[in-house]
Amino acid sequence: EPEVTQTPSHQVTQMGQEVILRCVPISNHLYFYWYRQILGQKVEFLVSFYNNEISEKSEIFDDQFSVERPDGSNFTLKIRSTKLEDSAMYFCASGASGKAYNEQFFGPGTRLTVL
Amino acid sequence: AQKVTQAQTEISVVEKEDVTLDCVYETRDTTYYLFWYKQPPSGELVFLIRRNSFDEQNEISGRYSWNFQKSTSSFNFTITASQVVDSAVYFCALSTTGTYKYIFGTGTRLKVLA
Repeated sequence: EPEVTQTPSHQVTQMGQEVILRCVPISNHLYFYWYRQILGQKVEFLVSFYNNEISEKSEIFDDQFSVERPDGSNFTLKIRSTKLEDSAMYFCASGASGKAYNEQFFGPGTRLTVL
Repeated sequence: AQKVTQAQTEISVVEKEDVTLDCVYETRDTTYYLFWYKQPPSGELVFLIRRNSFDEQNEISGRYSWNFQKSTSSFNFTITASQVVDSAVYFCALSTTGTYKYIFGTGTRLKVLA
């Protein structure tokens, strides 16, 4: 069964460094998403991406964050200058349909630790 | 505004007991979807069920069952004869047609004791 994959599973970085989290969505999906879960808290939406542009973003997704689909298979989340509060689990998701049906398939997550 | 409330922060039960996890949602949309996810200690989100707003039939899948009641805006999840492997955090989530995002509740941590 096709699945969303994410690399790395765990990333440790120093405050102020740039990080890129990578995701390989399910191959025929057109909609891509990032969510964040700070330890012990709920999962929060960051951004959705369709047709090579951001279709929706939350207030969390500020100028420090960017997303890109650099090729036909990868979907990345970049954090330009990490802060301690960026430490969280980051989930990528993909879907074949848009808002009307909106079924999203989640990857296993990347745990980001900012020191 | 859309919102999901899981009032139970943590529940502990003894193995083989039945347990119900509550989920109350808020939305003005008439078309929406509700979900339950399980998050084991390993951290991934395991999809359990998706239900649309037009289907109020209760669902049973093995030891799991779900009770969807639009009148009370609730979508509760029951585990029958709980097992230690059911220990996890369970999240209820809402999706409406006006947005791409899933709105998650704060989760309920279930501990099943042997």
